[in-house]
Amino acid sequence: QSVLTQSPSVSGAPGQRVTISCTGSTSNIGSGYDVHWYQHLPETAPKLLIYLTTIRASGVPDRFSASRSGTSASLAITGLQAEDEADYYCQSYDSSLSISVFGGGTKLTVL
Amino acid sequence: QVQLQQWGAGPLRPSQTLSLTCEVYGVSLSGYYWSWIRQSPGKGLEFIGEINHRGDTTYSPSLESRVTMSLDTSRKYFSLRLSSVSAADTALYYCARAVADKWSHYMDVWGKGTTVTVSS
Repeated sequence: QSVLTQSPSVSGAPGQRVTISCTGSTSNIGSGYDVHWYQHLPETAPKLLIYLTTIRASGVPDRFSASRSGTSASLAITGLQAEDEADYYCQSYDSSLSISVFGGGTKLTVL
Repeated sequence: QVQLQQWGAGPLRPSQTLSLTCEVYGVSLSGYYWSWIRQSPGKGLEFIGEINHRGDTTYSPSLESRVTMSLDTSRKYFSLRLSSVSAADTALYYCARAVADKWSHYMDVWGKGTTVTVSS
């Protein structure tokens, strides 16, 4: 059971917009700790997509954006492309555990 | 260009000690945290712990009693040891560089991962 909760899967057709949610609590996202997002393709290392809640990592297209509200955060992908099919993970700091914590991951399928 | 090259021992038997090393290329160990993350089969990413260049460590509470991290600044590598392994420790283990911004640490460079299998 992950400290941060993500929907197991989401799907969308090419060109569409999808959002991936990450729900935490008052000991992590709700306390204002930043959220980071990673893209994980099979057989590759995870890739940093978004850091410090809203900043795109170098080379990440502006189709990817993220936000935070209350105890949740979300990653939005517009103009969906086949190459976006991957697992996406959120990460934040949890003050109760005093460590970084990850969400359980969301598998994005491009139809 | 910053790169992390990781390696470690092959299959393990239950109760043995897992040992992995990650060598850092292209940057000094100073100024960053050096992390270990794992992914069990069919599961998500799990933070194991991290160490900074001063040797300060933070471990996941669920693994703390079995984890030891160390680093060698002169040789530019950092290591993970996990004792008394069981099948539950079978996973793909990643090393990563973590950038610290106050309490927030994000992993911007990752190793390719090392598969560790624990089986009797």
